[in-house]
Amino acid sequence: GDSVTQMEGPVTLSEEAFLTINCTYTATGYPSLFWYVQYPGEGLQLLLKATKADDKGSNKGFEATYRKETTSFHLEKGSVQVSDSAVYFCALIDVSNDYKLSFGAGTTVTVRA
Amino acid sequence: DAGVIQSPRHEVTEMGQEVTLRCKPISGHDYLFWYRQTMMRGLELLIYFNNNVPIDDSGMPEDRFSAKMPNASFSTLKIQPSEPRDSAVYFCASSGGQVRGSQQFFGPGTRLTVL
Repeated sequence: GDSVTQMEGPVTLSEEAFLTINCTYTATGYPSLFWYVQYPGEGLQLLLKATKADDKGSNKGFEATYRKETTSFHLEKGSVQVSDSAVYFCALIDVSNDYKLSFGAGTTVTVRA
Repeated sequence: DAGVIQSPRHEVTEMGQEVTLRCKPISGHDYLFWYRQTMMRGLELLIYFNNNVPIDDSGMPEDRFSAKMPNASFSTLKIQPSEPRDSAVYFCASSGGQVRGSQQFFGPGTRLTVL
């Protein structure tokens, strides 16, 4: 079945550091890929998405490129801020599988001033 | 738009009691999802509805769990009887149609503690 594997955390960084969170996927069809972010005490929010190979999603300085050849969707940000401290979830939705959203385990990121 | 609304935000109950969680999706959305989040198991999809009809309940852990969607603006997730292992954060999400790449909007969650 469909699955998402993402880098285990927790990740602790200093402000202005570069952030990468690795995400790879397994899917039988042609999935759409997402990164969701969960701030403390809140629900998940969509951060960015990509719907086909080579698409790049971007938002709030974060970027991720849909790489079909490596089945990856790594999240990057060049200069993190304390406000980026959150849990990040990679996810996919495969339109051949009843449209269910499959999430990775989540990566906790803490940015220190 | 108020977003997805869940109530209560926090629920503390004793083992054996009935618990009802409520969700109001975003107006006009035709998909509704219930998730459970725990440290051990991460985010799990419990059940989802399309146009008020349950489509897939394979994630519902056992018969103690039930979910209903009597109309387009309201859904409930009920646990009867509750057990300590049901303690988790329960999220409701809605979506405006599952075309490729459509987004699910999550509510703030209900934190359930079963003593």
